[in-house]
Amino acid sequence: SAVISQKPSRDICQRGTSLTIQCQVDSQVTMMFWYRQQPGQSLTLIATANQGSEATYESGFVIDKFPISRPNLTFSTLTVSNMSPEDSSIYLCSVPRGDGYTFGSGTRLTVV
Amino acid sequence: DQQVKQNSPSLSVQEGRISILNCDYTNSMFDYFLWYKKYPAEGPTFLISISSIKDKNEDGRFTVFLNKSAKHLSLHIVPSQPGDSAVYFCVQGGSEKLVFGKGTKLTVNP
Repeated sequence: SAVISQKPSRDICQRGTSLTIQCQVDSQVTMMFWYRQQPGQSLTLIATANQGSEATYESGFVIDKFPISRPNLTFSTLTVSNMSPEDSSIYLCSVPRGDGYTFGSGTRLTVV
Repeated sequence: DQQVKQNSPSLSVQEGRISILNCDYTNSMFDYFLWYKKYPAEGPTFLISISSIKDKNEDGRFTVFLNKSAKHLSLHIVPSQPGDSAVYFCVQGGSEKLVFGKGTKLTVNP
């Protein structure tokens, strides 16, 4: 199955700042997904990132808050902008693989 | 309103016994289900899946049962091992978007 390298694994950030999370996949994939898991909640899809086009955002998520880049078929970034404590979550990227999906190891973000 | 519900946030069993993790869903439109296991500080890893053409899928110690009329599925682990201790997510697929339950934390005691 695909191997995804996700960075950073964790960070503590000041409110009002931005953090960019990177995911590198070891093979080319058409679609990459970005998820958020808030404390005590299930994983929620933020957006789908397609190479060469704008990301498709789910209800409740907007591009100004979570801009996504997808410069090629193996790489994507998610930026959490103008952070507030409510953005403290685990963020994960994912790609389709076989019967299921492969996930990155996650980025644990704490906003203080 | 949650589409995929895992009503037990935690479950504790003894090593060697059976672990049963339950999941209920509301949307019958998407008929593919997956179970993921997640260890702390790691991303979820795929465990087993089932599509609606089946009511059972088995892979080693792991068996998933699907009851479409009840909109219910369950994951059975037998025999349970301490290394199975993790959070288990029930996931509905069948479209591009996965819908996750909140997870059940399984603890297998030696």
